[in-house]
Parts: sequence; structure tokens; C-alpha cells
Amino acid sequence: SQQGEEDPQALSIQEGENATMNCSYKTSINNLQWYRQNSGRGLVHLILIRSNEREKHSGRLRVTLDTSKKSSSLLITASRAADTASYFCATDETSGSRLTFGEGTQLTVNP
Amino acid sequence: DAGVIQSPRHEVTEMGQEVTLRCKPISGHNSLFWYRQTMMRGLELLIYFNNNVPIDDSGMPEDRFSAKMPNASFSTLKIQPSEPRDSAVYFCASSLRATNEKLFFGSGTQLSVL
Repeated sequence: SQQGEEDPQALSIQEGENATMNCSYKTSINNLQWYRQNSGRGLVHLILIRSNEREKHSGRLRVTLDTSKKSSSLLITASRAADTASYFCATDETSGSRLTFGEGTQLTVNP
Repeated sequence: DAGVIQSPRHEVTEMGQEVTLRCKPISGHNSLFWYRQTMMRGLELLIYFNNNVPIDDSGMPEDRFSAKMPNASFSTLKIQPSEPRDSAVYFCASSLRATNEKLFFGSGTQLSVL
């Protein structure tokens, strides 16, 4: 079963705008990761945030984690057409040893 | 570094045939994962190995699926006999340690069972 649920399922924006995607999960976690998948390709790791961290930045990416609400958000600032892809959150549950992926958000950035 | 290498890139086969998917993880990585991706079920973990030993195969759908890792640089996922519902993209991923840190994914094998 899926641990993480992304919201929205699909997002369409104009180039230059910011894109925000959310992930909710059900159980306690050690860390939460975000991945990107371009059409027809494998997933690419973007960023990892640990359960004792609240915010992390990497270039145009900003990730927040709220363990009390069991949720995370991924913000892509100044989006580009090349950011068009599916974005997945993945959680590492404290009770298990597997990384569980959500269903993803399909982001389309229009030039 | 060449990354995780999977073969074949595409596989079309008929129901009942045996299918073997191959994976070469990144050199030095201790953990290897097989995932399956479909529109209906998303990305599912099938099995993962640590130091060539299967640790968790609870995601393997049924006995028709088997996976091996004879050495640190090679793994196979076999489906015998294949069925149309096995059609999916199969990904192999590797990571440096056993815990769920950053995964490096291959490009996947698109399997179509007719």
C-alpha cells in the first residue's frame, strides 16, 4: 500500500512561476525523499530531509517537513520548461526497512 | 560512473514465455532494489538485496517471480510463466548502504506481455 500521497495529482503552470507539491504520509518516518521522473526515464533523487529537520534547500528546490502533521512540501522556484516531470515523495518508515513511494504529481511547465 | 544499467530496454513477449530482466548496480553500492511501476499501482517494491542477500521479498507478487543476485555487480528478475498483467516498467535501483538513503535508478525495462 502507498504510504505517501501527493497533492495535487497534476499541476500546470507558466514558466517563471513557482510550483508547490505536497506529500502526506501515515506513519512515523526516519526520512522523506523527493524524486523526479521524466517521461520514459528512471527516477532521479532530488533531496532528502530527515525527521529532525524542518526545511532544506537545494538550488531552486525548497523542501519542508512537518512531522506533527505528517506532511512535506516541495517548492520549485522560478520554474522552467525542463522542470516538466512527475515528482514523487518517498518515505522511510521507522517501523520498516523499505522506502515507499507515493503516486506522484505530474508537473507541466508551459513555456 | 555509468550509473545503474538495465537490460533490455524494451521486452515484448507472449503469455507463457519466460522473461529475464538484468541489472548492473553502481560499483560499490551494497543494496539493490527491484521496483515495478504501473499506472494503476504506482511504484511498488518487489524485492531488495543487501550484500547480495535477499532481505525483503514480500513485494514479489507470486511464485512466478524470482530474483537472484549471484554477485555484487549483477542481478536478475525472472518471470516464468509471464502473464499480460505483468506488463509494466521494471526498475532496478541501488544505494550505497542498506538503509533507505538515496537511491540511484536505472532507466527501466518496459515489459509488454501479449
